Amino acid sequence: AQTVTQSQPEMSVQEAETVTLSCTYDTSESDYYLFWYKQPPSRQMILVIRQEAYKQQNATENRFSVNFQKAAKSFSLKISDSQLGDAAMYFCAYRSPRGNTPLVFGKGTRLSVIA
Amino acid sequence: GAGVSQSPSNKVTEKGKDVELRCDPISGHTALYWYRQSLGQGLEFLIYFQGNSAPDKSGLPSDRFSAERTGGSVSTLTIQRTQQEDSAVYLCASSQSPYPRETQYFGPGTRLLVL
Repeated sequence: AQTVTQSQPEMSVQEAETVTLSCTYDTSESDYYLFWYKQPPSRQMILVIRQEAYKQQNATENRFSVNFQKAAKSFSLKISDSQLGDAAMYFCAYRSPRGNTPLVFGKGTRLSVIA
Repeated sequence: GAGVSQSPSNKVTEKGKDVELRCDPISGHTALYWYRQSLGQGLEFLIYFQGNSAPDKSGLPSDRFSAERTGGSVSTLTIQRTQQEDSAVYLCASSQSPYPRETQYFGPGTRLLVL
């Protein structure tokens, strides 16, 4: 079974600075999908960014980018120019390429943004 | 358009009572997932519905948990004889199709507290 590990329960960053959240995963599959979700206090999970394992290029969405290291099974999220609205729980998630499979989540990293 | 909605937002119940949690997916989404988020934990998969196919119940923690999806739309998660360890946030998600790259859109969740 696949597992996802987020080793940083809490992180903090100064406003306008850059922060990197770590995520590692374990799988025997060669093709899969990786996601970062954000959960603000409203509890609504919001997709931040998605990476397809067969793509070598790292995904980027505005201030959010990933460092995908397939051999190391690492998928870190970099937030540039951090804003107060970025404060939230961030979850890394894995999805198998097989159909009809749920997301497998890490335990999350709580990010605080300091003004 | 409207997102995934869940009701109630919060539910407090006494140990041993039955509870029903409701999820309204995004219109037209064929795939529907239930997850449980316990305090300090990531999301744990419970059950998955795809169209008219038999649901994947592999994540349900005990036979006290059941779910149904009527008319391929609204879903109800039922917990019978609730226990204190059932206290958690129950999140519902839907996606347009079951393909792995499809984004799962989450509702705001129901926070269940069993006294």
